Amino acid sequence: QITLKESGPTLVKPTQTLTLTCTFSGFSLSTSGVGVGWIRQPPGKALEWLALIYWDDDKRYSPSLESRLIITKDTSKNQVVLIMTNMDPVDTATYYCTHVSTTVTTTWGQGTLVTVSS
Amino acid sequence: DIVMTQSPDSLAVSLGERATINCKSSQSVLYRSNNNNYLSWYQQKPGQPPKLLIYWASTRESGVPDRFSGSGSGTDFTLTISSLQAEDVAVYYCQQYYSTPQTFGQGTRLEIK
Repeated sequence: QITLKESGPTLVKPTQTLTLTCTFSGFSLSTSGVGVGWIRQPPGKALEWLALIYWDDDKRYSPSLESRLIITKDTSKNQVVLIMTNMDPVDTATYYCTHVSTTVTTTWGQGTLVTVSS
Repeated sequence: DIVMTQSPDSLAVSLGERATINCKSSQSVLYRSNNNNYLSWYQQKPGQPPKLLIYWASTRESGVPDRFSGSGSGTDFTLTISSLQAEDVAVYYCQQYYSTPQTFGQGTRLEIK
């Protein structure tokens, strides 16, 4: 059974850097074709794809946010970290990490709500 | 970016009736070398993360009831619920994974009439 769980601060101030950790089980990020992604959803709004890292360390970013994002993996710990710099109130959202298999997003974590406010 | 547009934005259907949600992409998501459409459908209930229903445009995820089906190719896709059940009330999203950034439709809210 694949599970993912997001962790990190629930409140950050404008201009601060957000660091989110995804801890997963039920799969290995060293398996060919497997990846872990991040997707966010502002309250009451649609889903926005942010970033994805594959088993071979191939990294993909949303072009509109690429300058602010870094995604890394620690295969031995079954963790993926997303860093987002220069946070703004418009970045307030539920952040989900996801399991990806041969480009299909199959499983989502429960999500973590991050509020950006001074 | 590939823009995904769903229609309608909201839909009310009677229990036991058919519900149809459409999704149109601004460019083809059909990868000709393998003849796969890089298109998924998700269901999101209040307070829950999205759940994968359909991938490769028409492949039902394991455990998803067979009243859910996906169809279409290229730029036009449809999610059909053949006989609406009360537990199907949710917001439904299509997503293309043909190219990054992967993009989602704006969502369709499905309610009971």
